[in-house]
Amino acid sequence: GAVVSQHPSWVICKSGTSVKIECRSLDFQATTMFWYRQFPKQSLMLMATSNEGSKATYEQGVEKDKFLINHASLTLSTLTVTSAHPEDSSFYICSARSQQETQYFGPGTRLLVL
Amino acid sequence: QKEVEQNSGPLSVPEGAIASLNCTYSDRGSQSFFWYRQYSGKSPELIMFIYSNGDKEDGRFTAQLNKASQYVSLLIRDSQPSDSATYLCAVIGSGGSNYKLTFGKGTLLTVNP
Repeated sequence: GAVVSQHPSWVICKSGTSVKIECRSLDFQATTMFWYRQFPKQSLMLMATSNEGSKATYEQGVEKDKFLINHASLTLSTLTVTSAHPEDSSFYICSARSQQETQYFGPGTRLLVL
Repeated sequence: QKEVEQNSGPLSVPEGAIASLNCTYSDRGSQSFFWYRQYSGKSPELIMFIYSNGDKEDGRFTAQLNKASQYVSLLIRDSQPSDSATYLCAVIGSGGSNYKLTFGKGTLLTVNP
């Protein structure tokens, strides 16, 4: 149990385009989903917390207009990187929490912006 | 500022030995503690969680929690080369803010054959 999927697993795009990443909890309903970013050899950085049906809560320094989060159902959250630039290239990882406190991570999405 | 501290390592142990990974946290009100394993290039994978003082065992893994000392550890018995990874300590602090995890920077473990 507690399986979280992400799609796509990797994406290459041109600078200025937008990229949407999906995060799904496959066998449980996710009360809360989280979006993280990790640069090479660095720690996980929490970007935002997303509750179903409400606006996401962004961490300090994360631009909410650039990283759009939608959590329309208890099993799906999406992160859209708008007008992506090379500095947005990173490993984006979502996690999902059920009724309990444990977070389960998706496999991550590698984004490369050319 | 809620902090979680880990020795960054690398921690190197021979195959078959016990690996001991340590973590301290600053928020005395923290109630929930997690250990994740992250292989290079992959996302974190939950190994164990612990809520109560004392030891919790799961196979070759034992988590130990001492809330008075604000200390949580992970022991890996009979270490295998496949255990080589970065181990992340994570804590849910007091304040109950959406159950956000505060991560340590991770300890890189290398198990030598």
